Amino acid sequence: AQKVTQAQTEISVVEKEDVTLDCVYETRDTTYYLFWYKQPPSGELVFLIRRNSFDEQNEISGRYSWNFQKSTSSFNFTITASQVVDSAVYFCALRKAAGNKLTFGGGTRVLVKP
Amino acid sequence: GAVVSQHPSWVICKSGTSVKIECRSLDFQATTMFWYRQFPKQSLMLMATSNEGSKATYEQGVEKDKFLINHASLTLSTLTVTSAHPEDSSFYICSAFPFEGATQETQYFGPGTRLLVL
Repeated sequence: AQKVTQAQTEISVVEKEDVTLDCVYETRDTTYYLFWYKQPPSGELVFLIRRNSFDEQNEISGRYSWNFQKSTSSFNFTITASQVVDSAVYFCALRKAAGNKLTFGGGTRVLVKP
Repeated sequence: GAVVSQHPSWVICKSGTSVKIECRSLDFQATTMFWYRQFPKQSLMLMATSNEGSKATYEQGVEKDKFLINHASLTLSTLTVTSAHPEDSSFYICSAFPFEGATQETQYFGPGTRLLVL
């Protein structure tokens, strides 16, 4: 069975601070995909990144960066110089390579205060 | 990118009535669509997988007679909450998988439908 754990339920930071969201996953599959989604107050899920289990290269996209460590089954997400617009719930998710089902973590609510 | 729409975005109904929620893939065909339910401050829970032209596959604990799913075309899946009760009040989100080359793709999510049963 697959499982995704986001230990931090809520993080509060002041604008311009960096914030790192932890994601730990469990799977018996050797090939899988990891995802991060943002859910702003409107509710619509916004896709942020997909990472193939074969690709452990870290990625940076603007103020967002992701650290994939297969050895520790973690896929952490960092927002650098946070902004108020980053306030949202962020979900980490896991999907088997052969299937379509997404397993979501519990989500981390990020509150960025001005 | 691919667009998925849901209708309605908001619905308020009386207890005992049935509510139909539509999920459409606007610019691609989707043989597979997913229905999720999200209670306040909780994660998304997969309810069922909707397959075009065949019966939906429900997750454990989800009543198939309560949540009727119809995937009649490659661009439309509907979720009907039958005899809705206050405990069915939730945020319902659909997602769709592109028809071609799906193994490398991610799901595209609809904007969600908020259901409030009085």
